[in-house]
Amino acid sequence: EAGVVQSPRYKIIEKKQPVAFWCNPISGHNTLYWYLQNLGQGPELLIRYENEEAVDDSQLPKDRFSAERLKGVDSTLKIQPAELGDSAVYLCASSWDRGNNEQFFGPGTRLTVL
Amino acid sequence: GENVEQHPSTLSVQEGDSAVIKCTYSDSASNYFPWYKQELGKGPQLIIDIRSNVGEKKDQRIAVTLNKTAKHFSLHITETQPEDSAVYFCAAATGGFKTIFGAGTRLFVKA
Repeated sequence: EAGVVQSPRYKIIEKKQPVAFWCNPISGHNTLYWYLQNLGQGPELLIRYENEEAVDDSQLPKDRFSAERLKGVDSTLKIQPAELGDSAVYLCASSWDRGNNEQFFGPGTRLTVL
Repeated sequence: GENVEQHPSTLSVQEGDSAVIKCTYSDSASNYFPWYKQELGKGPQLIIDIRSNVGEKKDQRIAVTLNKTAKHFSLHITETQPEDSAVYFCAAATGGFKTIFGAGTRLFVKA
């Protein structure tokens, strides 16, 4: 069974440019998460989807970040415009449902904003 | 807000020794406590978890203990091996809602 797929793995952009990250969760997983991981820190939740509905986006900086999960499968996270402080690893994870079940993480996208 | 503190931030042990990582959480409603291992360039991977109705759980060389009264939980790795070297994260979750992660412990196992 394929794991959570993320692309790109690495992205380098200049500040004020837009950037988008893509995630394909494990087949059948209804819940999808986007996390931000700063260097030397644990993951911090940005947004959680149950199917196509964003049920927790309280930590998403909505002035510059947006996300979508069309058809309740793949998801895209966008930043526009990017700032220097956005440099981090963006992790996508999925689980069967919102219960206390194992979250399966993708390898992440490492973003560098110059 | 909810918080999970993790100690130590770095741990170095000799191969074959035991390693212990400790976490405390603030939200008394937390009822699920997973532990993740993250290797360089990879996403976190679940290694063991414990639910609030259990005080201890063991899986081969790995064990986790939970003290709900004190809001403490710990990861114990026995007979450490070089391949155990990684960053370990504890986390606390409440009823399927937000999972709060600790800051991580970088474990070095010296051969």
